[in-house]
Amino acid sequence: AQSVAQPEDQVNVAEGNPLTVKCTYSVSGNPYLFWYVQYPNRGLQFLLKYITGDNLVKGSYGFEAEFNKSQTSFHLKKPSALVSDSALYFCAVRDPWGGTGGFKTIFGAGTRLFVKA
Amino acid sequence: DGGITQSPKYLFRKEGQNVTLSCEQNLNHDAMYWYRQDPGQGLRLIYYSQIVNDFQKGDIAEGYSVSREKKESFPLTVTSAQKNPTAFYLCASTGTERSETQYFGPGTRLLVL
Repeated sequence: AQSVAQPEDQVNVAEGNPLTVKCTYSVSGNPYLFWYVQYPNRGLQFLLKYITGDNLVKGSYGFEAEFNKSQTSFHLKKPSALVSDSALYFCAVRDPWGGTGGFKTIFGAGTRLFVKA
Repeated sequence: DGGITQSPKYLFRKEGQNVTLSCEQNLNHDAMYWYRQDPGQGLRLIYYSQIVNDFQKGDIAEGYSVSREKKESFPLTVTSAQKNPTAFYLCASTGTERSETQYFGPGTRLLVL
């Protein structure tokens, strides 16, 4: 079965320090990987995606992610964290439904990021 | 939150009552989804629709119903059969290509009186 795993429920980092939010995947074939962010009482917002090409993907708000095929990982990173980055982050993979056609998005359980001033 | 609107923002349900959550999108997307999110938890898929007049059950469809009479609208009814409806409900839509992102509405928080 296709899946993504976020091994950390919570990540704590001091403002100004680099941050990493981890994601590993298990899919057959080429993965289509995404990161979304959710602020309190809001819907999810798209941050970035990897489809093909350069392994380092740049996205919104200064975030980037590195696709590593050998380690089946797609970790989210930012060189210098801001207090306003505190939110819930979801890794996701988009995969075919199968018999019904179309595609489904499989979300990880989410990682809560706390950035302390 | 893209071009998706959800209403109301807060909804209160009395025991035995059916309530309907609205979801409208102006993104011309074929596929629409309903997710449930419990406090501090991830997303669970309730129903999805890939095209007008067609929808499929997700992982936790019991106690819920949907309709898809128009491309832009995908309302969710929480029936009295759903015994634990208190949650944050998110509607989303996406295009038909695998590379396309999902766009989410702002959510509806359902509370039981």
